[in-house]
Amino acid sequence: AQSVTQLDSQVPVFEEAPVELRCNYSSSVSVYLFWYVQYPNQGLQLLLKYLSGSTLVKGINGFEAEFNKSQTSFHLRKPSVHISDTAEYFCAVRDFWGGSEKLVFGKGTKLTVNP
Amino acid sequence: DGGITQSPKYLFRKEGQNVTLSCEQNLNHDAMYWYRQDPGQGLRLIYYSQIVNDFQKGDIAEGYSVSREKKESFPLTVTSAQKNPTAFYLCASTLQENTEAFFGQGTRLTVV
Repeated sequence: AQSVTQLDSQVPVFEEAPVELRCNYSSSVSVYLFWYVQYPNQGLQLLLKYLSGSTLVKGINGFEAEFNKSQTSFHLRKPSVHISDTAEYFCAVRDFWGGSEKLVFGKGTKLTVNP
Repeated sequence: DGGITQSPKYLFRKEGQNVTLSCEQNLNHDAMYWYRQDPGQGLRLIYYSQIVNDFQKGDIAEGYSVSREKKESFPLTVTSAQKNPTAFYLCASTLQENTEAFFGQGTRLTVV
């Protein structure tokens, strides 16, 4: 079964600074990867996904992520953050195991953007 | 608009009472999921269902029960056997041939 590790539980940054949120997954032959964002007391919204093809994936709100198979990583980046990016971010991997499929999530990274 | 509706948004119950959380989707998705979210622990899978009248236990199924009598609906019952039921509960759905999950807005359950 797959597992996901988000290396930072909290990331504080200043407005307009770049940010990288790190995610590593356990190795697999094929892998589908996702980043979701959650604002307080709300559900999760998809930021971007990697299914196949180009390893650089662009998502909504100016975010992008790079799939690195050799390092089993899928780090999320944004070149310049806004106050409104303050939220919790979850990395997830699609797990195909035992004849069924499900999403496995990391524990989340709280991004706080300060003025 | 298509989407997933969870109700109620906030729910308060006394200890020892069973409570049922509603999840309805009109996306025509085959698979549905229930997750529990606690601070610092991410999302943990409670139950999931890939087709009607079939469901499987996730990682933390003890103290919970589900049913899948209709494709659109996947209610979760938090029973009195769940030792620490206060949490934020999220319902999600996916198409079998697609891999993206859509989430409801969540239900915050508080047991007093």
